[in-house]
Amino acid sequence: EVQLVESGGGLVQPGGSLRVSCAASGFTFSSHWMNWVRQAPGKGLEWVANIKQDGSERYYVDSVKGRFTISRDNAKNSLFLQMNSLRAEDTAIYYCTRDWGYWGQGTLVTVSS
Amino acid sequence: QIVVTQEPSLTVSPGGTVTLTCASSTGALTSGSSVDWFQQKPGQAPRALIHSTSSKYIWTPARFSGSLLGGKGALTLSGVQPEDEADYYCLLNYGGWVFGGGTKLTVL
Repeated sequence: EVQLVESGGGLVQPGGSLRVSCAASGFTFSSHWMNWVRQAPGKGLEWVANIKQDGSERYYVDSVKGRFTISRDNAKNSLFLQMNSLRAEDTAIYYCTRDWGYWGQGTLVTVSS
Repeated sequence: QIVVTQEPSLTVSPGGTVTLTCASSTGALTSGSSVDWFQQKPGQAPRALIHSTSSKYIWTPARFSGSLLGGKGALTLSGVQPEDEADYYCLLNYGGWVFGGGTKLTVL
């Protein structure tokens, strides 16, 4: 059974940093593109970033370029999103997804003083 | 910046049929386009329903179908059930990925 479990969310001050993680199981992690998607409270879905199977290609939405970094550890079946220079508008539930068919339950990131 | 437009809200009666659409600011979608559809209920993560415009996942109920209609992506629900009340999002790829703003479907 495919499982994606996000962790690492929490409260952080504006300008601060946070790293969220996604633990994958039930499939060959190294064979799939992975994505991060976020959803601000009461708002719609927004694609944030994705990464190729071997990490050689990474793409970002314009609003996070230069601040967020997506990475993966295929040996540990894990996906990461390092978020720096956080802003109030980054407050959201962050979901990891495999391709687009499988989603985790999300982890809440709140940026507030 | 590409904008993907969906109906903000739709209402359908139980047992009825409804079509949700997904339009791109870049123009008409064609057979070379790929549209994905997701369902999200309150407090839950999104669930994938349709990929590659018309392909279903193994868990997708038969009453859901995807297509292209008049240059837009379309999600049709036939024989709507009360449990289909949810938010629905489409997803398009333009180098990056862009979600539509979502359609709130009410079953009444």
